[in-house]
Amino acid sequence: GEDVEQSLFLSVREGDSSVINCTYTDSSSTYLYWYKQEPGAGLQLLTYIFSNMDMKQDQRLTVLLNKKDKHLSLRIADTQTGDSAIYFCAAGTALIFGKGTTLSVSS
Amino acid sequence: NAGVTQTPKFQVLKTGQSMTLQCAQDMNHNSMYWYRQDPGMGLRLIYYSASEGTTDKGEVPNGYNVSRLNKREFSLRLESAAPSQTSVYFCASQGQGETEAFFGQGTRLTVV
Repeated sequence: GEDVEQSLFLSVREGDSSVINCTYTDSSSTYLYWYKQEPGAGLQLLTYIFSNMDMKQDQRLTVLLNKKDKHLSLRIADTQTGDSAIYFCAAGTALIFGKGTTLSVSS
Repeated sequence: NAGVTQTPKFQVLKTGQSMTLQCAQDMNHNSMYWYRQDPGMGLRLIYYSASEGTTDKGEVPNGYNVSRLNKREFSLRLESAAPSQTSVYFCASQGQGETEAFFGQGTRLTVV
């Protein structure tokens, strides 16, 4: 079946860049997504990329897509303590999520 | 514009009891989803509905049933609750063409 894999934890210092990686198996997705979940809250869409694009930049966020390798990454520039959260990659026509990467930002 | 509304927000059930989790969206979306979230497991898809009148199993459908009552509403039923179904349940909806999926605030269910 469809699968989405992510590393589980990432720890960075405030001001550094964070890179969260994701691999997926379903190549039929029109869009691939990054969602953010803060403690005790629901999920909010952070950004998404159309499957025909290689890169999308949105302020501090850069999404890179390697469709051949089915690899998606999210880069957060100048990471702040407020960026501490769980980040989910999602793909597939049935919207399958990875297990989530917990980003911890220390000052 | 309420978006996606889930009820209830919290529920405690005894093993063997039944209950229905309600979800409604007011964005005229075709697709609706039910997920469960457990620590370290991320979000796992239980069932989804690509359009009114259709439902499909996701990754973890056992022990659950769903009803797509109309375009707005997608309910999740636990016929005989088990402690393994203790989780946070999220409903989501998505418009045509795989645009952003919007999530409800979740239902925290505990089965004792």
